[in-house]
Amino acid sequence: EPEVTQTPSHQVTQMGQEVILRCVPISNHLYFYWYRQILGQKVEFLVSFYNNEISEKSEIFDDQFSVERPDGSNFTLKIRSTKLEDSAMYFCASTWGRQANTEAFFGQGTRLTVV
Amino acid sequence: SQQGEEDPQALSIQEGENATMNCSYKTSINNLQWYRQNSGRGLVHLILIRSNEREKHSGRLRVTLDTSKKSSSLLITASRAADTASYFCAHGSGNTGKLIFGQGTTLQVKP
Repeated sequence: EPEVTQTPSHQVTQMGQEVILRCVPISNHLYFYWYRQILGQKVEFLVSFYNNEISEKSEIFDDQFSVERPDGSNFTLKIRSTKLEDSAMYFCASTWGRQANTEAFFGQGTRLTVV
Repeated sequence: SQQGEEDPQALSIQEGENATMNCSYKTSINNLQWYRQNSGRGLVHLILIRSNEREKHSGRLRVTLDTSKKSSSLLITASRAADTASYFCAHGSGNTGKLIFGQGTTLQVKP
């Protein structure tokens, strides 16, 4: 069964450092997303991406965040200067469409710890 | 806020019993999806119900949707210890495909 893969599974970084979280969406999917989940809290939408551009972003997705699809398979989330409050599980998801019958497939997540 | 609410927040039952979790939302939706998350792990898609559907089954799972009440329920029948996890509802709205997640219900099934 096709799946979304994320690397690394766990990343520890110093406050102020840049991190790049990587995702390989399902190959025939067209829409890509990043979500985050702070420990013990709900999953929050960060950004959606289609046709090589951001289609929607949340208030959380400020200037410190950026996304890129550098090639035909990878989808990355960059945090420019990490803060302690960026510590969370980050999930990548992809869908083939955006309509009512489209389920989202999620990766296993990257646990980011900022120290 | 577009966030949904789920209840109960936590549920503890014995193996073999049924578990019912409820979810409410505030905006119009395209679909409603249920996900399971084992502790510290990824989100596993369980079932999607469209806004024009009222009930859907998948194995031991039954999902209902009442758009007039803006609510959905997930029923797990004949629960097993392996069903122990957190369960989230998420609704799709708008035209970008983003999902709005509820707070989740933590289910513990005791053997």
